[in-house]
Amino acid sequence: KAGVTQTPRYLIKTRGQQVTLSCSPISGHRSVSWYQQTPGQGLQFLFEYFSETQRNKGNFPGRFSGRQFSNSRSEMNVSTLELGDSALYLCASSAGTGGETQYFGPGTRLLVL
Amino acid sequence: AQSVTQPDIHITVSEGASLELRCNYSYGATPYLFWYVQSPGQGLQLLLKYFSGDTLVQGIKGFEAEFKRSQSSFNLRKPSVHWSDAAEYFCAVAKTSYDKVIFGPGTSLSVIP
Repeated sequence: KAGVTQTPRYLIKTRGQQVTLSCSPISGHRSVSWYQQTPGQGLQFLFEYFSETQRNKGNFPGRFSGRQFSNSRSEMNVSTLELGDSALYLCASSAGTGGETQYFGPGTRLLVL
Repeated sequence: AQSVTQPDIHITVSEGASLELRCNYSYGATPYLFWYVQSPGQGLQLLLKYFSGDTLVQGIKGFEAEFKRSQSSFNLRKPSVHWSDAAEYFCAVAKTSYDKVIFGPGTSLSVIP
């Protein structure tokens, strides 16, 4: 089975712009979670989508949003980028039925200038 | 809200020595507990997880962890460390099987040949 894929792998944006990141889960997985990883804050949970519905949400401002499509692929969007949004964005997929293993993608490294 | 602490930011051990990485969580009930490893340039990989039952959990790569309810701890151990174990290790907790996963700050492991 192919693993979790994330595109693009690297991205450079400027303040004020918006960005969309994509995550394709493992085939058959219905849950996709997004995390932000920074040296200062560590790994922080953004949100989780299951069967096209947001099931869990972290403590991020409304500039961070996501969605999931019927094929379980997910996108996250960050509007009005700030310098502090520079981070590695990881997505993880799982079957979504509860307690099973999450499989992480390689991440998208976003640099905001 | 549940939280996870990993008291050791960085640990250095000699190859062949034993290893114990500490993890404490704050949550009243028995949460779902995980240990992940992140090698340089790699995504996160699940080492092991605990939901219930036997408090000593065996994982991949020769790792094990012990859940101690009285101490709110879930420490990771390995009897003999290999140079390839050098990585960042994250303890994580979820309140229920469907809840968001909260990660600790991580412990960076260096292995001396």
